[in-house]
Amino acid sequence: DAGITQSPRHKVTETGTPVTLRCHQTENHRYMYWYRQDPGHGLRLIHYSYGVKDTDKGEVSDGYSVSRSKTEDFLLTLESATSSQTSVYFCAISGKRTGGTLLYEQYFGPGTRLTVT
Amino acid sequence: KNQVEQSPQSLIILEGKNCTLQCNYTVSPFSNLRWYKQDTGRGPVSLTIMTFSENTKSNGRYTATLDADTKQSSLHITASQLSDSASYICVVSAGGADGLTFGKGTHLIIQP
Repeated sequence: DAGITQSPRHKVTETGTPVTLRCHQTENHRYMYWYRQDPGHGLRLIHYSYGVKDTDKGEVSDGYSVSRSKTEDFLLTLESATSSQTSVYFCAISGKRTGGTLLYEQYFGPGTRLTVT
Repeated sequence: KNQVEQSPQSLIILEGKNCTLQCNYTVSPFSNLRWYKQDTGRGPVSLTIMTFSENTKSNGRYTATLDADTKQSSLHITASQLSDSASYICVVSAGGADGLTFGKGTHLIIQP
């Protein structure tokens, strides 16, 4: 999984509780992303980061916030979880500089399965 | 709106047979097209990336083609193996960090 870990891998939580998912990389990639994957949908971008403390919204950002205080860590927070946020969440990284070239191939983590009851 | 359509949604073939998966897109501008393989319970893994000027790219038994004029791509799998059972996702980039449009994937099952 290209030096990307996600924690926890599985979580069950109750509606209204806060949840934080963590993505950690050891590859020194510039960009980090959070996606969700649901049946009948392609992967959808929630938020992404283009550097420490630099983040932006994706297609489905409502109800989610992110933080990146270090190059290697990108946190996704559900402030008050709802049943519609039951999903599999994937972290991805891209933008590793090799020589004089910045490579944009994305590498995905193993995913976190979140169930909100 | 940028869209990526994949067909078929699902496919079952016998081990050793060949198959071709299709991807049509309406993404503009076009930067590159990617094919990913996603095993059940795991994250997607990149198979190929093609830019506008590339019309064929191979990765072992996987060969991707791109027709930028008709905005179509295909992924051909030769001599399928049981380990090829997975979802195959077509992704088109319009450039930029947030410029990816994902298809819903083709679920491929290889039967012995």
